[in-house]
Order: sequence, then structure tokens, then C-alpha cells
Amino acid sequence: GAGVSQTPSNKVTEKGKYVELRCDPISGHTALYWYRQSLGQGPEFLIYFQGTGAADDSGLPNDRFFAVRPEGSVSTLKIQRTERGDSAVYLCASSQTSASYEQYFGPGTRLTVT
Amino acid sequence: GENVEQHPSTLSVQEGDSAVIKCTYSDSASNYFPWYKQELGKGPQLIIDIRSNVGEKKDQRIAVTLNKTAKHFSLHITETQPEDSAVYFCAAEVNPGNTPLVFGKGTRLSVIA
Repeated sequence: GAGVSQTPSNKVTEKGKYVELRCDPISGHTALYWYRQSLGQGPEFLIYFQGTGAADDSGLPNDRFFAVRPEGSVSTLKIQRTERGDSAVYLCASSQTSASYEQYFGPGTRLTVT
Repeated sequence: GENVEQHPSTLSVQEGDSAVIKCTYSDSASNYFPWYKQELGKGPQLIIDIRSNVGEKKDQRIAVTLNKTAKHFSLHITETQPEDSAVYFCAAEVNPGNTPLVFGKGTRLSVIA
């Protein structure tokens, strides 16, 4: 079946601009996670949704970052006033339920802030 | 919070040899330990995982061992093949579904034909 999909695959934006990154989880998966991966590093947690609500947003670095999941399926990560330090690969993962152990990752969105 | 250390950062082996990657974790409450393989330009792919009530798990050429007392776990790949070349990440999680995965920094494995 279809895996986790993310769009766009690449995004180049100028410093100060606003960007939205989209994640489509595996159909039927109720838990959704956003991670950020810098070059040469492992993924770092940003935010986790169970259904429509953000169950844990402790990984968001500051208030320029926000994520929504209005219908409990697709999620959008929103970054305001982008900075060069926001450049990274943004990964989305989903799992079947909140009690499921296995997280399945999408291909990521590579964000470059110039 | 949880901290995961992974080593080595790079590993080169001859095709057919074994490869071992080791990780340590800090939070004794962690009870789930997955391993991911990441190829260039792709997202991490779950290849094997182990839960705290098990000491070892094997899936064909891949095995994972867990020592809860020492708080370390390892990935073993036998009979390595060129297609095993990738970056491998270990991770730990205290309470699946309620706490996030914490990843190591990765090991770049190169299998030389």
C-alpha cells in the first residue's frame, strides 16, 4: 500500500518568508509525527499528533513553528519568518495508533533558506 | 531526558563480512529500540526493532541485541552486501505513543565489493 508522502520534496525560500510543508500519513494511521534532520545528524522530534490534536509539541524550537492536522489525516507544518538555520530535511512519520510502536517515515522535504 | 549515543560514526567492511553498530541510552525507563536504514535522499526505513522484554531478535541477516542492565543495544548485519551501504540510526523510546523517538547520530556503513 501507499506509504507516507510529503510535498514538496524540495523547497527553496528566502529568509523571512513563510513556508508550508505537507504530510499525508498512511491511510488509517491515527498518530503523526514531525521530525527535523540536519546534515549528518539523526532526526529530532518536533511535534506529535494523536488524531486532530497536538499531543506533544515540546520539540518545536520557537513560536515561528506551528503544525495543524484539522481532519486527523493530512498535516501541515508551517514556518513563519524563516531563518537560514531552519534549513534542514523535515520528516513526517505515522503509526497505526498511539499505542503502536512502529513509526513509518516519509521521504522528507528538504528546506533551504537563502 | 533521553540521550542516545551511537558508534562508530563510519564503518567500512568487505562484502561478506559482518558489521556491528552499537548504541547506548541514558533513560532506564526506555523500553523500545528500533533501527532505521536511510539511503541517500530517502526517509528512514524501519528494518528491525526490539522491546525491553526481549534480549535478542533476528530477521534473516539482521539481528539486534539488548542489554538493559548496561543500557546498550547493538545491530548486527551478517554476510554484508553492497546494497547494505547506507546510514543506520538507532533510537530509543520510553513510552510509545506518548513520548518521541530519540535518535542516535547515525553510522555510515560502506560495504566494499
